[in-house]
Amino acid sequence: GAVVSQHPSRVICKSGTSVKIECRSLDFQATTMFWYRQFPKQSLMLMATSNEGSKATYEQGVEKDKFLINHASLTLSTLTVTSAHPEDSSFYICSARDNTDTQYFGPGTRLTVL
Amino acid sequence: KNQVEQSPQSLIILEGKNCTLQCNYTVSPFSNLRWYKQDTGRGPVSLTIMTFSENTKSNGRYTATLDADTKQSSLHITASQLSDSASYICVVSAGFSGGYNKLIFGAGTRLAVHP
Repeated sequence: GAVVSQHPSRVICKSGTSVKIECRSLDFQATTMFWYRQFPKQSLMLMATSNEGSKATYEQGVEKDKFLINHASLTLSTLTVTSAHPEDSSFYICSARDNTDTQYFGPGTRLTVL
Repeated sequence: KNQVEQSPQSLIILEGKNCTLQCNYTVSPFSNLRWYKQDTGRGPVSLTIMTFSENTKSNGRYTATLDADTKQSSLHITASQLSDSASYICVVSAGFSGGYNKLIFGAGTRLAVHP
């Protein structure tokens, strides 16, 4: 099956710093990628839809200026958490959609803000 | 409102035993239903996918069923193994205008298999 990677898998940062997470589709091109956040013992919550070459679409309640998304190529989307605070600590998961409208999920990135 | 509800919320079984997880949904228009397995600290991995016309789908020891009339699905795990300990998420795909589907996630069932 299709493979989606994320980097880094785990990051610890100080409050006030920015963190960038990469999501790559390794063996297919994805015009659309998705970013999810997952808190402990809860299911995935869609944050935004990332479209190659255009602005991301954010879900209600998600601050676009805090969670910057860039989808510069058909295989790479990045999520930057700006001025991170402890409440941003979470598990961030991306997915990439192929041309059969199937989403493949990445392995996730554990963000801890001290 | 599009919703996916799963039960039980958590489950503990002994190794070698069978179990069945439930998923009820109110999603329209329905496109397909997937069961995912999510290990702790990992992304979800697809186990099965079923469209409206499919009643059952197997993947090794995992068997999913779908009743489109009652909008219910189940995931049956046979002869459980310790490695089956994970969260199992029911995800229903809703077909919207523009040709692309939106995923509606259940909260998941946390399964623990004990020796």
